[in-house]
Amino acid sequence: SQKIEQNSEALNIQEGKTATLTCNYTNYSPAYLQWYRQDPGRGPVFLLLIRENEKEKRKERLKVTFDTTLKQSLFHITASQPADSATYLCALDMSGNTGKLIFGQGTTLQVKP
Amino acid sequence: NAGVTQTPKFQVLKTGQSMTLQCAQDMNHEYMSWYRQDPGMGLRLIHYSVGAGITDQGEVPNGYNVSRSTTEDFPLRLLSAAPSQTSVYFCASSTQGANQPQHFGDGTRLSIL
Repeated sequence: SQKIEQNSEALNIQEGKTATLTCNYTNYSPAYLQWYRQDPGRGPVFLLLIRENEKEKRKERLKVTFDTTLKQSLFHITASQPADSATYLCALDMSGNTGKLIFGQGTTLQVKP
Repeated sequence: NAGVTQTPKFQVLKTGQSMTLQCAQDMNHEYMSWYRQDPGMGLRLIHYSVGAGITDQGEVPNGYNVSRSTTEDFPLRLLSAAPSQTSVYFCASSTQGANQPQHFGDGTRLSIL
């Protein structure tokens, strides 16, 4: 079955730097991959979706890449701010294109002023 | 427009008790899902529905029941609570289609003693 791995160690960076988070999957390449942000005590909030035929997707200071050869997606936040501190989750379809998502365990980002 | 509303926000149960976690959405979304989130394990799909009267199992369905009598509501029932079901439960909804973003509620924090 499909599995997702995100770096479970917290990522600490200085304000203004670029944060890069990694999402690796193990089996077939999904048709799409999604990224979410989760703040403490809140539900995840959708950020970006990238399809298998897209190499890169951008939204303001966010950039997502999707490498089906490496079975990996990278999530970048440029010019990071303390307000970007949160846990970031990646998600993909459980088995093909069913709409049933599986999530990684998330990576916590801490941006220090 | 309230989005996805979950009640209660917190609950403590004794082993063997039953209860229903409520989820309602006002976005006329066809798809609704229940996840549980445990430390270090990410979000795991419990049950899933693609429309009123249609439900399906996710990764961890044992010990939980669902029904979908209306588009708006998707309650999750714990039949006989066990300590292993202590978790944070999230409900999510999305429009029809396998690649649509999930809209999450803010969760129910459930402790079973």
